Amino acid sequence: ELQLVESGGNLVQPGGSLRLSCAASGFTFSSYDMYWVRQAPGKGLEWVSSIDTDGDTLYPGSVKGRFTISRDDAKSSLYLQMNSLRAGDTAVYYCARGNSIRGGSMDLWGQGTTVTVSS
Amino acid sequence: QSVLTQPPSASGTPGQRVTIPCSGSSSNIGENSVNWYQQVPGTAPKLLMYSNNQRPSGVPDRFSGSKSGTSASLAISGLQSEDEADYYCATWDDSLNGDVVFGGGTKLTVL
Repeated sequence: ELQLVESGGNLVQPGGSLRLSCAASGFTFSSYDMYWVRQAPGKGLEWVSSIDTDGDTLYPGSVKGRFTISRDDAKSSLYLQMNSLRAGDTAVYYCARGNSIRGGSMDLWGQGTTVTVSS
Repeated sequence: QSVLTQPPSASGTPGQRVTIPCSGSSSNIGENSVNWYQQVPGTAPKLLMYSNNQRPSGVPDRFSGSKSGTSASLAISGLQSEDEADYYCATWDDSLNGDVVFGGGTKLTVL
């Protein structure tokens, strides 16, 4: 079964760090670009980071320099290291698979993991 | 404020046809294909349409997509109660180093 399962979400104080994980199964993980997308409470979707099959990464300005995306193809796993966390980073974080055959769309999503930044 | 503009809400009665627009610019929709995602409240987003007008397997043909210039739209015909959800358009923006950009989302209510 095709599946993405996120973990690692938690309550963290402002300025703290957290590492999210996403375990993939049912497909050849190394063949796909991967994404992190977040959704703040009551808000829309926001792209957080991307990593392609060569390990090249992209970030929006809002997280650049604070967040680091990485992948371990041997473990079929995606990670997001989040440092210097702010209240505005509070959100549900989803990992998603990018499918170049489907126009680069995010065609498989995990169930999400919740990050709360608060003192 | 989102790079892509969608109306915050839309509504229709069962059986009706509803259209959700997504407006962008020459650096995003004007240059790249558009994808649409459906999110039922409390669940993860799901790919609904890719490459402007292609439906993944399992998506009913009541859903259709189109793109013209710097705008795109999602149409739902024969509206059903289970279509009540949030809908997001997305693409890439070449002026932002290829960043992924989402619309703000449209909440569709089936009356």
